[in-house]
Amino acid sequence: GESVGLHLPTLSVQEGDNSIINCAYSNSASDYFIWYKQESGKGPQFIIDIRSNMDKRQGQRVTVLLNKTVKHLSLQIAATQPGDSAVYFCAEGEYGNKLVFGAGTILRVKS
Amino acid sequence: EPEVTQTPSHQVTQMGQEVILRCVPISNHLYFYWYRQILGQKVEFLVSFYNNEISEKSEIFDDQFSVERPDGSNFTLKIRSTKLEDSAMYFCASSEAGTGGSSDGYTFGSGTRLTVV
Repeated sequence: GESVGLHLPTLSVQEGDNSIINCAYSNSASDYFIWYKQESGKGPQFIIDIRSNMDKRQGQRVTVLLNKTVKHLSLQIAATQPGDSAVYFCAEGEYGNKLVFGAGTILRVKS
Repeated sequence: EPEVTQTPSHQVTQMGQEVILRCVPISNHLYFYWYRQILGQKVEFLVSFYNNEISEKSEIFDDQFSVERPDGSNFTLKIRSTKLEDSAMYFCASSEAGTGGSSDGYTFGSGTRLTVV
């Protein structure tokens, strides 16, 4: 069956440093990937997405990298701020089908 | 900014009772979803809905669950006879064009915390 990011690591970074959050996926048919941020008591919030025909996409302070060869997705956050503290989920899906979420990574930003 | 609205924010119910969780998706969105998240775990897909019918459902979405779009704005999830293990956060989401069809993924609501006692 398909599975995404089965581990739930915790990443602690110093304010101002760059953060890299990783995700492994197993469904090689997936062609769409999203990173979501979830703050305590809230729903997942869209950060950035990438399609399988790309290997890199940049947003404001965030970059997503996709390596289809090893089925790996990463989220880079530049100049991490206390407000970035949250759980980050990667999600993957085939075009037109459901999104499947990974287990999540806790990001803690130390001031 | 348009948002998905869910009510109630917290629902406590007795085991065996029926609950209805309500959602108002973004008005121009055509695809609707329910996900759930047991405390501390990942977000799990329950069901997707398009063109007034279920397009996909997970093995979690058994005969105790049903969804409905009773009018042009609401999207509901009904659990007929709740069990203790149904306790979770339930998230509604909507999308303009389905997975990969638009550039902003699904928009999620803030969730309903269901507690079955």
